[in-house]
Amino acid sequence: EPEVTQTPSHQVTQMGQEVILRCVPISNHLYFYWYRQILGQKVEFLVSFYNNEISEKSEIFDDQFSVERPDGSNFTLKIRSTKLEDSAMYFCASTLTGGGTDTQYFGPGTRLTVL
Amino acid sequence: GQQVMQIPQYQHVQEGEDFTTYCNSSTTLSNIQWYKQRPGGHPVFLIQLVKSGEVKKQKRLTFQFGEAKKNSSLHITATQTTDVGTYFCAAPPGNTPLVFGKGTRLSVIA
Repeated sequence: EPEVTQTPSHQVTQMGQEVILRCVPISNHLYFYWYRQILGQKVEFLVSFYNNEISEKSEIFDDQFSVERPDGSNFTLKIRSTKLEDSAMYFCASTLTGGGTDTQYFGPGTRLTVL
Repeated sequence: GQQVMQIPQYQHVQEGEDFTTYCNSSTTLSNIQWYKQRPGGHPVFLIQLVKSGEVKKQKRLTFQFGEAKKNSSLHITATQTTDVGTYFCAAPPGNTPLVFGKGTRLSVIA
């Protein structure tokens, strides 16, 4: 069964450093998402991406965050200057059509630890 | 923005007991989805409910969508240790993205 993959599985960085989290969505999916989950809390939406541009973003997704689809397979989340409170699991997800009834397939996540 | 409230936050049951988690919204939902997240894992889609009053079953799991499409429940009959995890309801306010509830963490004591 096709799946979303993410790398790295764990990223440790110093506060103020830039990090790039990588995702490979399911190949025929058209809509891509980033969510984050602070330890023990709920999953929170960050951003959705379609047709090489951001469709929606949450309040969390401020100027420190950016997303990119640099090629036909990868989807990246960049945090320019990490803060301690950015420590969380970051999940990438993809859907086929982007409609509200479409199933979201989540990747295994990247655990980001900011020291 | 839209919020989805989920209760209880935690539930500890003996293996073989039943378990129910409830999800409520102040607004009418177009649909509701349920996800399971095993400890250390990622959310995995379980099911989607779309119609008012809809009931769907997956083996020991029964999902219901309220008549007013503002609430939903997940009921597990005769829990097993493999049911351990956090169960999230999630709903799209319009189209995607999903708004997740805080989840119910289920512990099953063998």
